[in-house]
Amino acid sequence: GAGVSQSPSNKVTEKGKDVELRCDPISGHTALYWYRQSLGQGLEFLIYFQGNSAPDKSGLPSDRFSAERTGGSVSTLTIQRTQQEDSAVYLCASEGILNTEAFFGQGTRLTVV
Amino acid sequence: AQRVTQPEKLLSVFKGAPVELKCNYSYSGSPELFWYVQYSRQRLQLLLRHISRESIKGFTADLNKGETSFHLKKPFAQEEDSAMYYCALSPSGNTGKLIFGQGTTLQVKP
Repeated sequence: GAGVSQSPSNKVTEKGKDVELRCDPISGHTALYWYRQSLGQGLEFLIYFQGNSAPDKSGLPSDRFSAERTGGSVSTLTIQRTQQEDSAVYLCASEGILNTEAFFGQGTRLTVV
Repeated sequence: AQRVTQPEKLLSVFKGAPVELKCNYSYSGSPELFWYVQYSRQRLQLLLRHISRESIKGFTADLNKGETSFHLKKPFAQEEDSAMYYCALSPSGNTGKLIFGQGTTLQVKP
């Protein structure tokens, strides 16, 4: 596809379970970002991948959160032992080498019950 | 601390009225500022960035370093402008690693 694709669109999970959220960036984009949008909050930066460099994990809220990017393309955000406060929309964005604009996916709405 | 503040959660105007969405920032260096928009059921997209000095869909925004503001303006609102608007700051020049405000919902009434 032409845009950033995220799956699943919606995820309901039980408290304490692990979840994986997937992001397919725009082909050829070297930078990939994860954000979280909680109810009533703005977007909160989580993690950033640039090419083969070590990721910038400065926004991850706890060690239950991790992300990887395989082959410089697809990225997976993993939340272990989910808590109710993890309920949010998780957005992924990618950016080309010219760094002019980040393109966002449609998001994954995570609900922890 | 680096922060972006959008003081209004909701701004409601009538079609044809002027619009000003407020954004104030806190940053010690030379920031790069953006406005993003999210229309209903659509993904977040870039509206404009201050360094390009463009007018997109009739919207403009001027960086005022003295007042640390980057307000978004449009002289005549249209119904299709109804959306959520986010002001964002890039502290590092990285256009994807952004500090966002909490957003303002613009409602343009007919």
